[in-house]
Amino acid sequence: QKEVEQNSGPLSVPEGAIASLNCTYSDRGSQSFFWYRQYSGKSPELIMFIYSNGDKEDGRFTAQLNKASQYVSLLIRDSQPSDSATYLCAVRRDSNYQLIWGAGTKLIIKP
Amino acid sequence: EAGVVQSPRYKIIEKKQPVAFWCNPISGHNTLYWYRQNLGQGPELLIRYENEEAVDDSQLPKDRFSAERLKGVDSTLKIQPAELGDSAVYLCAITSSGGTGELFFGEGSRLTVL
Repeated sequence: QKEVEQNSGPLSVPEGAIASLNCTYSDRGSQSFFWYRQYSGKSPELIMFIYSNGDKEDGRFTAQLNKASQYVSLLIRDSQPSDSATYLCAVRRDSNYQLIWGAGTKLIIKP
Repeated sequence: EAGVVQSPRYKIIEKKQPVAFWCNPISGHNTLYWYRQNLGQGPELLIRYENEEAVDDSQLPKDRFSAERLKGVDSTLKIQPAELGDSAVYLCAITSSGGTGELFFGEGSRLTVL
């Protein structure tokens, strides 16, 4: 079992709809969770981070964390074609602060 | 504002040849990372520096990979000799100074080994 798992996709969502991306992790002691967006041929860039259980909203993006169930999700409201990218989930181990990355979910927003 | 400059952006070499990558971060960022990213995968940590000291190099293939960070600023990553399986994007990253753990990546160096 991988430490951080994501569905590779592609996930296809119509423009204007809500895109829902999920990530599960195995290290129960993890405390910090990050969502990065990576456009094709580009480097990852941070979208959001979340530390506490519950929801965290930033514009059209909402991160959701459930430590008991060991999953973190990213919702994108009013999806735009420019949101088409690969979304990487990263979890920071508290033991050595190393970031463990999922393989990413490819999101396609259809106009 | 954080910034990381990497060079070269692209490199094509034949197997068994050496190759080197450079990372030039804005000064003042103590923590520097080298990652390798294969197509369809997340970044994989190769080495982490705190200033000049390599504090985590457990995943660096030391038989052929080497890295250094002179004066705690610029860093180089070298592969000698390169193998076909080394084809990947090599990413350099720094940690934000705000303490959130956010990483800022350079544009990466794409290596193709023929």
